[in-house]
Amino acid sequence: NAGVTQTPKFRVLKTGQSMTLLCAQDMNHEYMYWYRQDPGMGLRLIHYSVGEGTTAKGEVPDGYNVSRLKKQNFLLGLESAAPSQTSVYFCASSPPQTMNTEAFFGQGTRLTVV
Amino acid sequence: EDQVTQSPEALRLQEGESSSLNCSYTVSGLRGLFWYRQDPGKGPEFLFTLYSAGEEKEKERLKATLTKKESFLHITAPKPEDSATYLCAVVTDSWGKLQFGAGTQVVVTP
Repeated sequence: NAGVTQTPKFRVLKTGQSMTLLCAQDMNHEYMYWYRQDPGMGLRLIHYSVGEGTTAKGEVPDGYNVSRLKKQNFLLGLESAAPSQTSVYFCASSPPQTMNTEAFFGQGTRLTVV
Repeated sequence: EDQVTQSPEALRLQEGESSSLNCSYTVSGLRGLFWYRQDPGKGPEFLFTLYSAGEEKEKERLKATLTKKESFLHITAPKPEDSATYLCAVVTDSWGKLQFGAGTQVVVTP
């Protein structure tokens, strides 16, 4: 059981380039999230999805787009990368929010924009 | 504005030296407070969820408690394998959106 899988694990981009980060979960979870983690700031929510075909903005959505065409996949896109988007990106998934429900995280994607 | 603050930022312990980490929160409508452990280069790993003041949960050498304003993660007789960054997060809506503190980095030396 793989859980939450992120690809790629590492990437270096030049300013202005575009890329897509892929998140796949095999737990049949309804909810999926993208966070970024920067030193001293903790994880911050970029976008999230509460079901196939739905997406919503989180705390820091500017410069990112997302899509949830299939329940098991959640894609994060950078259309024109900027150095400020250098970060570690984590995807997470969870069942619909009921008691005793935690989110499961992937291993992260370390992105450097030069 | 909702806020989650963890202290200290870093903690260095001798093996067997018990200590506590603090997570203070100012939010409207707490639905749950979560503790995660994060090892270097890895994603956060779930430890506990607390829902109401007075609640306590334990797992091996870790014990989490919750009041109306803060949560504590007590580490009893830590071992080097307890070295990690411990993250606190709150959920205030029905979409499970986690709002994290900056974390406490714990190093346990033999």
